[in-house]
Amino acid sequence: AQSVTQLDSHVSVSEGTPVLLRCNYSSSYSPSLFWYVQHPNKGLQLLLKYTSAATLVKGINGFEAEFKKSETSFHLTKPSAHMSDAAEYFCVVSNYGGSQGNLIFGKGTKLSVKP
Amino acid sequence: KAGVTQTPRYLIKTRGQQVTLSCSPISGHRSVSWYQQTPGQGLQFLFEYFSETQRNKGNFPGRFSGRQFSNSRSEMNVSTLELGDSALYLCASSLVGTQTYEQYFGPGTRLTVT
Repeated sequence: AQSVTQLDSHVSVSEGTPVLLRCNYSSSYSPSLFWYVQHPNKGLQLLLKYTSAATLVKGINGFEAEFKKSETSFHLTKPSAHMSDAAEYFCVVSNYGGSQGNLIFGKGTKLSVKP
Repeated sequence: KAGVTQTPRYLIKTRGQQVTLSCSPISGHRSVSWYQQTPGQGLQFLFEYFSETQRNKGNFPGRFSGRQFSNSRSEMNVSTLELGDSALYLCASSLVGTQTYEQYFGPGTRLTVT
């Protein structure tokens, strides 16, 4: 069965400092993994995706994530936070044809950025 | 390419009424999925349509239904609205046949039931 756990419900950083949002997954097959971002009162935007090619995936707005099979992790990082990064971030695992839909979403991590 | 569009963006209904939400996918995308997002339950999968057929369904009561038209546009309907149906309803489209099935989301319809 597929599942995803976001280890922090809320992360607060100062502008200009690194961002780390943690995600662990469980999958019965080689998964596809995604990070989505949701700004207040907006839909979800795809940040990046892992599809069994390179384990280090680069996304939009300077974000990247590293797939670590041995640790079943897919943490999202950014070297320097910007005020505009304040949003909610969702780690997502593929679940093709599963009863919960093709994608299973984590509970989300709310990122706050202090000036 | 235009993104996923959803109408209306905001809706206020009274308990017991019914509502229809509309979603237009990205051009060329034939799969449309619907989600309900609430603060308490997070993102929950409602159903997926592909080629006018419901291909997958989440764990929601029969009051929630949907359909897809030949141009891939989709509607979802909620009958006999309850207060707990207040939520952000998100539609997402995907290009079936790719390896990853990544989904592209619309801005959502905010439904408030009073």
